[in-house]
Amino acid sequence: GAVVSQHPSRVICKSGTSVKIECRSLDFQATTMFWYRQFPKQSLMLMATSNEGSKATYEQGVEKDKFLINHASLTLSTLTVTSAHPEDSSFYICSARDRRDEPYEQYFGPGTRLTVT
Amino acid sequence: EDQVTQSPEALRLQEGESSSLNCSYTVSGLRGLFWYRQDPGKGPEFLFTLYSAGEEKEKERLKATLTKKESFLHITAPKPEDSATYLCAVQATDSWGKLQFGAGTQVVVTP
Repeated sequence: GAVVSQHPSRVICKSGTSVKIECRSLDFQATTMFWYRQFPKQSLMLMATSNEGSKATYEQGVEKDKFLINHASLTLSTLTVTSAHPEDSSFYICSARDRRDEPYEQYFGPGTRLTVT
Repeated sequence: EDQVTQSPEALRLQEGESSSLNCSYTVSGLRGLFWYRQDPGKGPEFLFTLYSAGEEKEKERLKATLTKKESFLHITAPKPEDSATYLCAVQATDSWGKLQFGAGTQVVVTP
């Protein structure tokens, strides 16, 4: 149980284009999903918190107009990187919180490697 | 401000050589401390949650303990497949579920 998937696993895009990353909780309902980015040899940095049916809350320094987050259902959240630039190249990871009997634990997806050329 | 510090940064072990990883934390109010394992190019894999000082949890060769200031992840008789980066994270009571991660300890177990 508690499986989170991400799609795509890898994406290469040209500078100036937009990319959408999907995060799904496969066997549980997630009222809250989180989006992180991770640079090589560094730990995870939280970008935003996504609650189903409401606007995402962004961490300080994260541009909300550049990283659009939608949490349309209890099993799906999407992150769209708009007008991507090479500095946006990173490993993006989502996590989901199970709303059932372990409310504080987060389960992570496998990550999406974004390369902007 | 919440802080999580992990040590050492890297650890090289011989197969069967037990060791411990440290996670020191400062948080206004602790809701939970989490241990994850991360393999290269993959998302973190959940290992343990500890909620209060004195709590211990075990899973195969791993055992996590918690005090009011730090947590230890003990690896007993490690095998090469235990090679990974181990991440510690804290969740504060006023954090709305957000996790504050440490930088991680990279563990390499050689045969």
